[in-house]
Amino acid sequence: DAGVIQSPRHEVTEMGQEVTLRCKPISGHNSLFWYRQTMMRGLELLIYFNNNVPIDDSGMPEDRFSAKMPNASFSTLKIQPSEPRDSAVYFCASSFSYEQYFGPGTRLTVT
Amino acid sequence: GDSVTQMEGPVTLSEEAFLTINCTYTATGYPSLFWYVQYPGEGLQLLLKATKADDKGSNKGFEATYRKETTSFHLEKGSVQVSDSAVYFCALSEGNDMRFGAGTRLTVKP
Repeated sequence: DAGVIQSPRHEVTEMGQEVTLRCKPISGHNSLFWYRQTMMRGLELLIYFNNNVPIDDSGMPEDRFSAKMPNASFSTLKIQPSEPRDSAVYFCASSFSYEQYFGPGTRLTVT
Repeated sequence: GDSVTQMEGPVTLSEEAFLTINCTYTATGYPSLFWYVQYPGEGLQLLLKATKADDKGSNKGFEATYRKETTSFHLEKGSVQVSDSAVYFCALSEGNDMRFGAGTRLTVKP
């Protein structure tokens, strides 16, 4: 299995632009998680889905962030409009039971 | 709520030294416990796990024992290598709710 796939690996954008991060979970996994990692705040859970349904989005920082999972093999995290403080590494993870498998992350830089 | 507390880093050791990274947890139920490792520029990788009290997880020379009486899951390795330099995260999970510690950066010098 290829593992969790994220794209792009790096994204540089200007403040105010829309950013879309993509994730393909491991086939057969029924839960998907989006995390954000920064030096200041560490690893933060943003949202997670179970069977494509959002279960807990309490970690989504504000209305500028939205996430979708239209099917079992694809999810997006969108930031609109982006701000410099959104600069971070965003990880997607998937699981079948209680072990989570992480993707390589997307490093987002907003200038 | 459930939480994990791990020792602050950074930790710097010489090659072949003994490693301990402390981790304690608070939980209302019976969580599963994990150690994840993050190498530079990569995502977190599961290093080892334990699902019930007194279980010992082990992998790549690392070990951790689920101690319910002390609510601990300390990570140990008898002889570290330069290639073990990474950030280590302790985590607990009850169902889909996984909580991570802040991470401990380990640097091993030759």
